[in-house]
Amino acid sequence: EPEVTQTPSHQVTQMGQEVILRCVPISNHLYFYWYRQILGQKVEFLVSFYNNEISEKSEIFDDQFSVERPDGSNFTLKIRSTKLEDSAMYFCATREANEKLFFGSGTQLSVL
Amino acid sequence: GENVEQHPSTLSVQEGDSAVIKCTYSDSASNYFPWYKQELGKGPQLIIDIRSNVGEKKDQRIAVTLNKTAKHFSLHITETQPEDSAVYFCAASISGPDGNKLVFGAGTILRVKS
Repeated sequence: EPEVTQTPSHQVTQMGQEVILRCVPISNHLYFYWYRQILGQKVEFLVSFYNNEISEKSEIFDDQFSVERPDGSNFTLKIRSTKLEDSAMYFCATREANEKLFFGSGTQLSVL
Repeated sequence: GENVEQHPSTLSVQEGDSAVIKCTYSDSASNYFPWYKQELGKGPQLIIDIRSNVGEKKDQRIAVTLNKTAKHFSLHITETQPEDSAVYFCAASISGPDGNKLVFGAGTILRVKS
């Protein structure tokens, strides 16, 4: 069964450093999303991406965050200067034209 | 914006019993309601979904009901098994031309005791 693949599974970084989280969507999917889940809390929407541009972003997704699909396959989330409060599990999710959203296994980001 | 409330936060049932998880939503324009199961260390996995033009949907031991008037929807798991133990999330969204974003409930930890 096709899967959304995320790398790395764990990322430890120092505060102020840049991190890039990577996602390989399911091959025929057109809509891409990033969500995050702080330990023990809700899964929260960050950003949606379609046709090579951001469709919608949440208030969490400030100027420190960016997304791109540089090579037509990988979908990346960059955090320019990480803060302690960025520590969370980050999930990539993708879908076709219908609403069914498929999630990857996540990247656990720890900012020290 | 949309707000989704989910209850209970934890639920323990005996193997073979039924489990019911309830969610309410605030935005009457929401028209798509999926349920996700999340096992430890994994991403949310879609287990069933329902659209607002349907009142009930069933898939083997899992069923979802939707009451649009009251703006609530529920997940029903019958004949629970230990492998049903996980965190379950409800979500709501408004389908739009550029896509839809899901707003999640806080999750329910389901424990099935054997």
